[in-house]
Amino acid sequence: QSALTQPRSVSGSPGQSVTISCTGTSRDVGLYNYVSWYQQHPGKAPKLMIYDVTKRPSGVPDRFSGSKSGNTASLIISGLQAEDEADYSCCSYAGSYLVFGGGTKLTVL
Amino acid sequence: QVQLVESGGGVVQPGRSLRLSCAASGFTFSAYGIHWVRQAPGKGLEWVAVIWYDGTNKNYADSVKGRFTISRDNSKNMLFLQMSSLRAEDTSIYYCARGHRTSAGVFDYWGQGTLVTVSS
Repeated sequence: QSALTQPRSVSGSPGQSVTISCTGTSRDVGLYNYVSWYQQHPGKAPKLMIYDVTKRPSGVPDRFSGSKSGNTASLIISGLQAEDEADYSCCSYAGSYLVFGGGTKLTVL
Repeated sequence: QVQLVESGGGVVQPGRSLRLSCAASGFTFSAYGIHWVRQAPGKGLEWVAVIWYDGTNKNYADSVKGRFTISRDNSKNMLFLQMSSLRAEDTSIYYCARGHRTSAGVFDYWGQGTLVTVSS
C-alpha cells in the first residue's frame, strides 16, 4: 500500500494553467479508472474536485479537469484564480484498499 | 444537507484505546459506504478503513489492520472507529467521509475531523 507520488509544490500566475501529476503503479492508477482529486484549504476538510479520472461533481468549476495516461493521472487547473491556492491530493482505488498521494501545494503567484 | 460530525478525539497514552464516532444526517445513511481517513499534522491524507452500507464488509489499511475496528449503527445513523494499541504514529485528524453512491474509492462529503493525539 505505497502512497502515490505527487510533486510537493507547483505554482502559477492568475489566468495561467497548471498541471499536478499523480503517479502510481499498474496495481492502482494504471489498473482502475477510479482516480479522484481533493482540494484542501488550511484548517479545512478536503473537498472532492474530480472523480473517475475525468468527472466533475456538481458545483466544481469547469476550470478543473482530469486525465490519465498509463500509471499517471493529472489534475489540470486552467484560468488560475487566487482562491485556487490550496493543497491538492489524488486518490486511487486499488481493489481492497485506497491509496492517496502525498499532496501538492499550489501557490498562486 | 449532508452533514458528518466526528467526535471522541483527545489525548491518549501509547498502548491505550479510543473510540471515535461520526454522526450522519441529511441523507439515507444506510444506503452508503462510509470511510475513515486520517491526516497527521503537516502530512498528507491516509485512508484508514471503509464499511459497506449494510456493515457486511469492512476493509482496512495495513497500518491499522488488527488494531482498529470500524462499525456502524444504521438505526442511529452512526459510524464508529474503535482504536486499540495506539501508537505515536496514529496521531492525526480523523475524518469520516461518505463513499460515492456509484464510484469506487470516492469521498463525496467529509466531516470536519476530530484530533487524536497519542502521547505519554
